[in-house]
Amino acid sequence: DQQVKQNSPSLSVQEGRISILNCDYTNSMFDYFLWYKKYPAEGPTFLISISSIKDKNEDGRFTVFLNKSAKHLSLHIVPSQPGDSAVYFCAASAKLRGANSKLTFGKGITLSVRP
Amino acid sequence: GAGVSQTPSNKVTEKGKYVELRCDPISGHTALYWYRQSLGQGPEFLIYFQGTGAADDSGLPNDRFFAVRPEGSVSTLKIQRTERGDSAVYLCASSLPGANVLTFGAGSRLTVL
Repeated sequence: DQQVKQNSPSLSVQEGRISILNCDYTNSMFDYFLWYKKYPAEGPTFLISISSIKDKNEDGRFTVFLNKSAKHLSLHIVPSQPGDSAVYFCAASAKLRGANSKLTFGKGITLSVRP
Repeated sequence: GAGVSQTPSNKVTEKGKYVELRCDPISGHTALYWYRQSLGQGPEFLIYFQGTGAADDSGLPNDRFFAVRPEGSVSTLKIQRTERGDSAVYLCASSLPGANVLTFGAGSRLTVL
């Protein structure tokens, strides 16, 4: 049973336009959400995160939005650049206070940014 | 080193053989995680260490899989009697105490023929 769902396997956008990557989750205990980016033959690298007490977090060209009532989050990249072409994973954790917790990942979305 | 180091980067073995995969985490990172990524899937949790002890091994698929971290730093994932279905990229990650963000290594690609 997939607790973190990325239903669109791929997305193609024109350079300079906005990329919107969506993610849904089913576990109401999740309270921290992250996006990771992965290039071929490399490990996932952390991109941006958001706590469940917020509904938006912005870092440069990247913004993550969280809608807890819908159990939905999205990553916006604007403007998109060819170097953003990669696989993007949504991940979530149910973090015990002060403790580490495992991440549960979605299947990923392959983003292609056309020059 | 500056990042999480995993060796070997590639391992090809025959069905039924024993395999060891090594992870050297970032210095000072007390938490260490093993994940497995199959083709077309996201990373799947296997086991998590806090220091030397396995805090959560609920993701290990069966008793052919075992992991150790005897001195609280380097960890070894051990797979006995490998099967073709074990073919995947095995990812290791580490993090500071209480941190939400995991830092991943480049992975060890295992191919079982």
